[in-house]
Amino acid sequence: DTGVSQNPRHKITKRGQNVTFRCDPISEHNRLYWYRQTLGQGPEFLTYFQNEAQLEKSRLLSDRFSAERPKGSFSTLEIQRTEQGDSAMYLCASSQGEGRPFFGQGTRLTVV
Amino acid sequence: AQRVTQPEKLLSVFKGAPVELKCNYSYSGSPELFWYVQYSRQRLQLLLRHISRESIKGFTADLNKGETSFHLKKPFAQEEDSAMYYCALGMDSSYKLIFGSGTRLLVRP
Repeated sequence: DTGVSQNPRHKITKRGQNVTFRCDPISEHNRLYWYRQTLGQGPEFLTYFQNEAQLEKSRLLSDRFSAERPKGSFSTLEIQRTEQGDSAMYLCASSQGEGRPFFGQGTRLTVV
Repeated sequence: AQRVTQPEKLLSVFKGAPVELKCNYSYSGSPELFWYVQYSRQRLQLLLRHISRESIKGFTADLNKGETSFHLKKPFAQEEDSAMYYCALGMDSSYKLIFGSGTRLLVRP
């Protein structure tokens, strides 16, 4: 599968722990996006990168969240001191410029 | 504020019946509208976008700026159309998308 790859697919963590997710975009896609999807809702935009630069962050991205794309290829999303409200599906997407974004299968986070 | 509304959480039809999934948006600028589909256990994928004015898998959608709507239609539903459908609004050039809450389409045999 040469599409957008996300790892892990599932993560269960205890409240207060830190978690990190990884997204590998489609090769040579210069834009990368993170979305969050809670039960019964559509995806909500969190942040996006053009190459290694983080160009926009949603106000949904609190201080506990940090995203990086150090070499303009893969990206990581870290959540510190997780809370039960962080339980959601975290989706990554990538695109080439303003072309249509391709989504990964997501990482489902459960905070217990 | 920018918003996408999909009023129906579930739409159930019989095979061969016409389908219309409703989508209304709120945006003061020039909108770009999309329909995404998610089949069971699969990733979200683009179904169609208004600027391409194409028909995919028999689905069409027309942007009505006067009614701020982008309803998805298909004249004859098939069982394999059963899925979750999301309408999305694109703004500016950042390709940030605002999604509706989705409509589950169930096509019964």
